[in-house]
Amino acid sequence: AQSVTQLDSHVSVSEGTPVLLRCNYSSSYSPSLFWYVQHPNKGLQLLLKYTSAATLVKGINGFEAEFKKSETSFHLTKPSAHMSDAAEYFCVVSEVAAGNKLTFGGGTRVLVKP
Amino acid sequence: ETGVTQSPTHLIKTRGQQVTLRCSSQSGHNTVSWYQQALGQGPQFIFQYYREEENGRGNFPPRFSGLQFPNYSSELNVNALELDDSALYLCASSLEGQRPIYGYTFGSGTRLTVV
Repeated sequence: AQSVTQLDSHVSVSEGTPVLLRCNYSSSYSPSLFWYVQHPNKGLQLLLKYTSAATLVKGINGFEAEFKKSETSFHLTKPSAHMSDAAEYFCVVSEVAAGNKLTFGGGTRVLVKP
Repeated sequence: ETGVTQSPTHLIKTRGQQVTLRCSSQSGHNTVSWYQQALGQGPQFIFQYYREEENGRGNFPPRFSGLQFPNYSSELNVNALELDDSALYLCASSLEGQRPIYGYTFGSGTRLTVV
């Protein structure tokens, strides 16, 4: 069975400093991994995805994530936070054996201080 | 700009009533999934439709049902509403059939409040 654990429910950073959102996953087979962002009262927007190609994945708005199979991790990073990055972030796993349904982590709320 | 449109955006229903939520996907998106997002939690998978047939279901009771139509629109129906059904309901569609390697496109959701 697939599952996702986001290690921090809240992260607070200052504008211009790096952001790190931690995600660990469990999957029986080769998973696809995603990061989605949700701004208040909005739907989910895809930031980036890993689908068994390059382990370092670059996404939109300067975000990137590294797939580490040995650590079963898929942490999301950004070198310099912007005020517009304040939102909820979800790490998501999907695998063919599970019918390609998306399994979400509990989310990490990011606060960016000026 | 999202290619998935959900209606209505907000809805208030009374316990015991029935509700239908609607989703309009991008043309050609033959896979649609529905998710329930309770306040402060991550979305939970309800079910998925592929080419108008249900091909996956999460841990939701049978009073949650759905339909997918040939014009790429879909519905989520919930009977005998309970207070715990209050949540944001998200529709997600994909261009692929069985393997969403490009990810799903989500709508902005319908906020359902059951009183």
